[in-house]
Amino acid sequence: KAGVTQTPRYLIKTRGQQVTLSCSPISGHRSVSWYQQTPGQGLQFLFEYFSETQRNKGNFPGRFSGRQFSNSRSEMNVSTLELGDSALYLCASSLVQPMNTEAFFGQGTRLTVV
Amino acid sequence: KQEVTQIPAALSVPEGENLVLNCSFTDSAIYNLQWFRQDPGKGLTSLLLIQSSQREQTSGRLNASLDKSSGRSTLYIAASQPGDSATYLCAVGNTGKLIFGQGTTLQVKP
Repeated sequence: KAGVTQTPRYLIKTRGQQVTLSCSPISGHRSVSWYQQTPGQGLQFLFEYFSETQRNKGNFPGRFSGRQFSNSRSEMNVSTLELGDSALYLCASSLVQPMNTEAFFGQGTRLTVV
Repeated sequence: KQEVTQIPAALSVPEGENLVLNCSFTDSAIYNLQWFRQDPGKGLTSLLLIQSSQREQTSGRLNASLDKSSGRSTLYIAASQPGDSATYLCAVGNTGKLIFGQGTTLQVKP
């Protein structure tokens, strides 16, 4: 059974650019959540999608957005990149909801903004 | 606002020791608690999931307990091995998301 797949694994972008990250959940999982991990703030919740609808959103600016497709694959987009957006972005998939079923994480996308 | 704290932040032990990692949370209204392992630069590997109605879960050399009333969970690792060296994170399932502690970085010396 394939795990959670995130692409690309590494990205280097310039300030002001935008970036799109992709996450393919485990087959049959319908909930996809995104997290940002930095040394200073740890793991912080960005948003969660279920059946193509955003159900929950963390405390991040509107530059961070996402979407989910009918096959449960999800993308997140960050516009007008800032140096502080450099982080490991992790995607998690769950059968229903991350709060009452086990969450499985991908290997992450390491974003570096220069 | 739910806050999750893990103590200690770092731990170094000799191989073979049994050890306990601690996780505390401020709001007992949780759906579950999950323990993860993270190797440097990698994603999170799920170790154990404890539902709010459960008291403990076991997997191999790992045992996790949950005491909702006191807002605490412990992860017990028996007979530690160098391969157990990693950062261990606990996360509580609460209002549609996981809230993470800062993690405990474990080093097991041969």
